[in-house]
Amino acid sequence: GQSLEQPSEVTAVEGAIVQINCTYQTSGFYGLSWYQQHDGGAPTFLSYNALDGLEETGRFSSFLSRSDSYGYLLLQELQMKDSASYFCAAYNTNAGKSTFGDGTTLTVKP
Amino acid sequence: ETGVTQTPRHLVMGMTNKKSLKCEQHLGHNAMYWYKQSAKKPLELMFVYNFKEQTENNSVPSRFSPECPNSSHLFLHLHTLQPEDSALYLCASSSRTDSYEQYFGPGTRLTVT
Repeated sequence: GQSLEQPSEVTAVEGAIVQINCTYQTSGFYGLSWYQQHDGGAPTFLSYNALDGLEETGRFSSFLSRSDSYGYLLLQELQMKDSASYFCAAYNTNAGKSTFGDGTTLTVKP
Repeated sequence: ETGVTQTPRHLVMGMTNKKSLKCEQHLGHNAMYWYKQSAKKPLELMFVYNFKEQTENNSVPSRFSPECPNSSHLFLHLHTLQPEDSALYLCASSSRTDSYEQYFGPGTRLTVT
């Protein structure tokens, strides 16, 4: 089967750095995506890692370690608007689909 | 603007009603998806269409019936739903089924009374 684990909630203050971890157990793993979803809104794609290492996109970075079946999303210089749910999703080549984690609710405080 | 639109945005229906959700993508994608998102729960994949052909039915009850007349349009026909079917129904598209990057519509908030 497919399963992903990520923390249910994370709280941080404005301007800080936060890391949201994701561990996965999935056959046919091809890569790990991250999505952001504001309350009442649609998920939006943030980043994707197919290879080990760090991918940087502005204030957001994503990391993958295939050997550890682990990845994380790093958010720097947190802003209030970053308060949202963040989902990791493992793409499975055998099934041709992505399986989403339960999501991490990030609350940014002043 | 994500390029994926859904109508209606909100829907309230009784258990004996029949209604349809519509999704349209303007991105030239050839894969489309239906997801269910219940309160405080993860995204649950329901159906996948690739080039108008259904390639995934994730054990969805028959009271949900998808239709994909072309690569740009996707429907979800609803009948005799249950209160536990109340959720946010999200449509998404991607360039192909093996795409890691899906574009989501704003969703339809469905309430079954």
